[in-house]
Amino acid sequence: QVQLQESGPGLVKPSETLSLTCTVSGGSVNTYYWSWIRQAAGKGLEWIGRIHSGGSTNYNPSLKSRVTMSVDTSNNQFSVKLTSVTAADTAMYYCAGDRTNDGWFEPWGQGTPVTVSS
Amino acid sequence: DIQMTQSPSSLSASVGDRVTMICRASQSIRTYLNWYQQISGKAPKLLIYGASTLQSGVPSRFTGSGSGTDFALTISSLQPEDFAIYYCQQSYSTPWTFGQGTKVEI
Repeated sequence: QVQLQESGPGLVKPSETLSLTCTVSGGSVNTYYWSWIRQAAGKGLEWIGRIHSGGSTNYNPSLKSRVTMSVDTSNNQFSVKLTSVTAADTAMYYCAGDRTNDGWFEPWGQGTPVTVSS
Repeated sequence: DIQMTQSPSSLSASVGDRVTMICRASQSIRTYLNWYQQISGKAPKLLIYGASTLQSGVPSRFTGSGSGTDFALTISSLQPEDFAIYYCQQSYSTPWTFGQGTKVEI
């Protein structure tokens, strides 16, 4: 079965760029739509955006000016970059798959915490 | 954006209870409604998609219903492992949006 694992720095300075990668195992990055979702401590879930292996993307308008997603088919990975981060970007970041393009998420990675602080 | 509102925000229940929680969309989303369970410290887990289709491996005590703007998740007989936060999510139009969650506690 497909499994996902997020990786990236846990601490990012304000105004810098947050970069995270999600590694896909047990399947191909070519077969799903891939999303990033975040959750601030004690808060709900916020969809950041998604990418297809073909390169098409949809971003949440609330973050669109700061987000870029990409796929690396040779390494079976996909990534997200969020620029000009502030403390409001501190959250647990999850990657998730959408197998059917119906907008529901399964599987999920375990999540990686990111703190924005100087 | 489509706003998703869940009620109640929390509920207290006992093992064996029948529990129902509500999710309302700010506009019709047909049956593009999904439910997730999040146990403390873990990633969300998909329970139901398309308003009423049980994800493979999810116990049959979970039932989803509704269409349009009003949806419900029912747990027919609450088990100890069901104490968690439940989120609804619309997949009718991007940006996909989630409700604020219903916490099921003892």
